Parts: sequence; C-alpha cells; structure tokens
Amino acid sequence: AQSVTQLGSHVSVSEGALVLLRCNYSSSVPPYLFWYVQYPNQGLQLLLKYTSAATLVKGINGFEAEFKKSETSFHLTKPSAHMSDAAEYFCAVSDQGTYKYIFGTGTRLKVLA
Amino acid sequence: GAVVSQHPSWVICKSGTSVKIECRSLDFQATTMFWYRQFPKQSLMLMATSNEGSKATYEQGVEKDKFLINHASLTLSTLTVTSAHPEDSSFYICSAGTGTYEQYFGPGTRLTVT
Repeated sequence: AQSVTQLGSHVSVSEGALVLLRCNYSSSVPPYLFWYVQYPNQGLQLLLKYTSAATLVKGINGFEAEFKKSETSFHLTKPSAHMSDAAEYFCAVSDQGTYKYIFGTGTRLKVLA
Repeated sequence: GAVVSQHPSWVICKSGTSVKIECRSLDFQATTMFWYRQFPKQSLMLMATSNEGSKATYEQGVEKDKFLINHASLTLSTLTVTSAHPEDSSFYICSAGTGTYEQYFGPGTRLTVT
C-alpha cells in the first residue's frame, strides 16, 4: 500500500529564509504527487504537482519541489519565506488504481518576523 | 477551470438532527467524488468515494448509515450526517475527479453540533 511521510509536524523559519518541507512516499510504481496548502478554516489549495514529466516542478507563490526517485522524496522548497506562507502544508500521493489520495500528516509552517 | 463548491460553508445544528452538505463541480463533470473529514490540527481522512449513479464505497470504520452519500448527477454529490452528535463536529471537504489522477477540492464545510 502506498503511504506518505511528512517529517516535522512543525517547522519555523525566519522571514526571508529558505523553506524546506519534507515529504517521502512509498510506492511500487511511479506516483503522482501533490503539495497542497491550507490556511485556517479554508479548503486545500494546490501548490504544485508531479505527473512524471519534469522532476523539478515549479508551483505557485514561488514554491517548487523536486522528485527524487532514488530517495523516494518530493520535498517542497521556497528560497525566501514570507509571512503569508504561514499555513499548513500537505503532501499527497494519488493511487493509480483507485485515484484515491493518501495524505501525509501535514506540516505547520510558522514564519518568524 | 475545475471549480468545486460546497454548501453551506458553515452549519450549526442541534444534536439528533440531520444536516445535508452539497458538493458541486461547477465547470466540469465529475465521474467520482470523494468526501473527507478533517479534525482540528489533523490531516484529511477519506470517508467515502462515490461514482455517479452508484452506491458510495465507504472506508473502513466509517458508518455508512450515519454518513449518507448520494451522487445523483455528474455535478452534484451530497453528504447527509444523520442524527448528528457533538462528536460529528468537524470540517468536511469534498473533492471531484474526472477519472484521472487529480482531484479538485471544495472549500470545505464546518459542521458544529450542539
């Protein structure tokens, strides 16, 4: 069965610093991977997705993620954090048979002034 | 494109009553709709998957008689929480799929049972 692991339930960075949110997956076949952001009391907003094309994926709001098959990772990065980036971030993998999503447990990003 | 709406966005109901949440795909036809539940500060938990015109498939541990799901058309699915109790209070999120790997998420419905 597929699974997603997000290391670090809470991450704090200073404004202007690099953001790195970790996501590792387990899948026996090439997966479809997603990063979503959720602000308080709101739904999910898609940041970016990997669909077996380019391994470096650029998303909205300056975020990007790199698919590394050898490390089974899909870490999310942003060169310079902004206060508005403070939110909950979820990594998800889509099951290729059922199209169900398996979500990670989420990482709450805090940006310090 | 690929917009999903939910109604209501927030609902308060009394214990023992039922409440219906609607999920609509506004600009596309959704062959599959998914219903999730999210407790505070937790991840999304898939409750059930529904295909248009078919009975919903519930995840293990989800009471199908309590959480009634109807997917009557390619643009509308409903979740009815029957005989709601305070422990049913949660954030309910739907998503819609078109038979591919990607789901499109609604904005969520906050249910509070008093």
